[in-house]
Amino acid sequence: GAGVSQSPSNKVTEKGKDVELRCDPISGHTALYWYRQSLGQGLEFLIYFQGNSAPDKSGLPSDRFSAERTGGSVSTLTIQRTQQEDSAVYLCASSLAAGPDYGYTFGSGTRLTVV
Amino acid sequence: AQKITQTQPGMFVQEKEAVTLDCTYDTSDPSYGLFWYKQPSSGEMIFLIYQGSYDQQNATEGRYSLNFQKARKSANLVISASQLGDSAMYFCAINTDKLIFGTGTRLQVFP
Repeated sequence: GAGVSQSPSNKVTEKGKDVELRCDPISGHTALYWYRQSLGQGLEFLIYFQGNSAPDKSGLPSDRFSAERTGGSVSTLTIQRTQQEDSAVYLCASSLAAGPDYGYTFGSGTRLTVV
Repeated sequence: AQKITQTQPGMFVQEKEAVTLDCTYDTSDPSYGLFWYKQPSSGEMIFLIYQGSYDQQNATEGRYSLNFQKARKSANLVISASQLGDSAMYFCAINTDKLIFGTGTRLQVFP
């Protein structure tokens, strides 16, 4: 696609429920990243995928968070047993490859509200 | 581990004036990239400028320039001739294998 697409754009869920957030990267981009941005804060790295390599999960805040990337394209971020502190904007980005010289294209984000 | 520090939570500048947003970084990797992104109130992340660690010259993109001082580990963003539309959050980031962001600076441009 022309840009990075994320869905849904907004999600309100009850505490304790599971949620799935979807990211469709730019076609041909081999690297895909998930970030979290709490209100008024910077971007917190969560996880990234590069080609067929094992994902870098070093930023996942707890084992309630997981992500997968199917067929090297679409990615799903799953949050189990959501908590109020999970409320944030979840941003997905993609790049041609992983490495110091590659900038990212970001999606518009999913705003998650846990009530 | 990589770290980015942005010490200015907020900055004000008058329209048509220049403004410098500070950024310092820390990494043990010899190869890295430095990036600046703009985030308007709409929430989108807009790429502004990139500087590679081995680049000898400071990067420029239109009204944006990056003042890269490698020995001091600083990568300040200079915006010349500020416009009202420049009002936004600005994030500095370092990339060795993934982008790590600073906490951002909120820039407000007034007439």
